[in-house]
Amino acid sequence: GAVVSQHPSRVICKSGTSVKIECRSLDFQATTMFWYRQFPKQSLMLMATSNEGSKATYEQGVEKDKFLINHASLTLSTLTVTSAHPEDSSFYICSARGAPGTGDYGYTFGSGTRLTVV
Amino acid sequence: EDQVTQSPEALRLQEGESSSLNCSYTVSGLRGLFWYRQDPGKGPEFLFTLYSAGEEKEKERLKATLTKKESFLHITAPKPEDSATYLCAVTPYTGFQKLVFGTGTRLLVSP
Repeated sequence: GAVVSQHPSRVICKSGTSVKIECRSLDFQATTMFWYRQFPKQSLMLMATSNEGSKATYEQGVEKDKFLINHASLTLSTLTVTSAHPEDSSFYICSARGAPGTGDYGYTFGSGTRLTVV
Repeated sequence: EDQVTQSPEALRLQEGESSSLNCSYTVSGLRGLFWYRQDPGKGPEFLFTLYSAGEEKEKERLKATLTKKESFLHITAPKPEDSATYLCAVTPYTGFQKLVFGTGTRLLVSP
């Protein structure tokens, strides 16, 4: 079945450094990918919509200069958390729309990245 | 405002004890309603897509139904491996690419 691969699964970084998270669609082309953030025992909050070849659309309240999104190809989107701080520690999940078998508006999710900023 | 509410927040069942999870929604026109399963530390795993009232879909011990105001995920004779958080989400007509998630139901099935 369709797979969205996300790396790394876990990362620990020092405060003030930047971290890049990759999201790849392995067997389908994804013109649109999405980035979510999830806090413990809470649901997924959409951060931004990433469109191949154009600028990402950020949700209200999400700092675009802190969370840089690049969608350079039909199979790869990256999220870079710049100048990370402990409050950026969270579970980040990407998703892609249009994978076979998920319906016209269905989405396939990556396995998530646990970011810990120390 | 588009909104999804799931109940109960948590549910504990004995193995073989059937039950249902509820997802109530208010949207400005429904394009699709989705059910996902999420295991701890993992991304959501797609289960079902429902598009119109009256539609039903089944997969193993799970059956999803849809009305104009809510959806149910019925779990028949659950097993411990069904333990997970079940998430409901909708795609409204406006901003149709976005998923609006509920807060999920944490299911624990004891042997």
